[in-house]
Amino acid sequence: EVQLVESGGGLVQPGRSLRLSCAASGFTFDDYAMHWVRQAPGKGLEWVSGISWNSGSIGYADSVKGRFTISRDNAKNSLYLQMNSLRAEDTALYYCAKDREGGIAAAGNYFDYWGQGTLVTVSS
Amino acid sequence: DIQMTQSPSSLSASVGDRVTITCRASQSISSYLNWYQQKPGKAPKLLIYAASSLQSGVPSRFSGSGSGTDFTLTISSLQPEDFATYYCQQRITFGQGTRLEIK
Repeated sequence: EVQLVESGGGLVQPGRSLRLSCAASGFTFDDYAMHWVRQAPGKGLEWVSGISWNSGSIGYADSVKGRFTISRDNAKNSLYLQMNSLRAEDTALYYCAKDREGGIAAAGNYFDYWGQGTLVTVSS
Repeated sequence: DIQMTQSPSSLSASVGDRVTITCRASQSISSYLNWYQQKPGKAPKLLIYAASSLQSGVPSRFSGSGSGTDFTLTISSLQPEDFATYYCQQRITFGQGTRLEIK
């Protein structure tokens, strides 16, 4: 059974940093691209960042480019999101999602499994 | 960047109704369109991929169609568990969502 378990969320002041983690199990982690998708309270889904199976391709939404860094450790079946210079508008539930294939650039990409999310609240 | 626009934004319907939700892309995306269902407090769930392929385990009352710029998600006979928010997605872009409520 595929499981994605996010952790690392919490309350943080504007300008500070936070690191999210996603522990994966139930599939061959290093075969697939992984993504972070967020959802602000009462709002829709927003793709944040994606990373290919071998970390060779990485992408970011314009809203987080230069502040967030995605990474993965295939030996530990884990995905990470380092979030720096956090802003109030980064407040959201952050989901880890598995891609259906190894790359992030394919037109036919979709997210076939999702974690339950970890809540990040940026407030003073 | 490709924009995805869903309509309606919200919809009221009754159990047993046939419901259609539309998603329009700002340019042709062939059949690269996916649909997700999200219930309150839960993660999104993949329903349909590649416009019309049903994800494993999803009831057959869900179907998808379309190509190019116009796509539809149809629920043939609404069940109580289908009341949720539905999102279309193409690559890294999601539609704004359609909230399906009980009439």
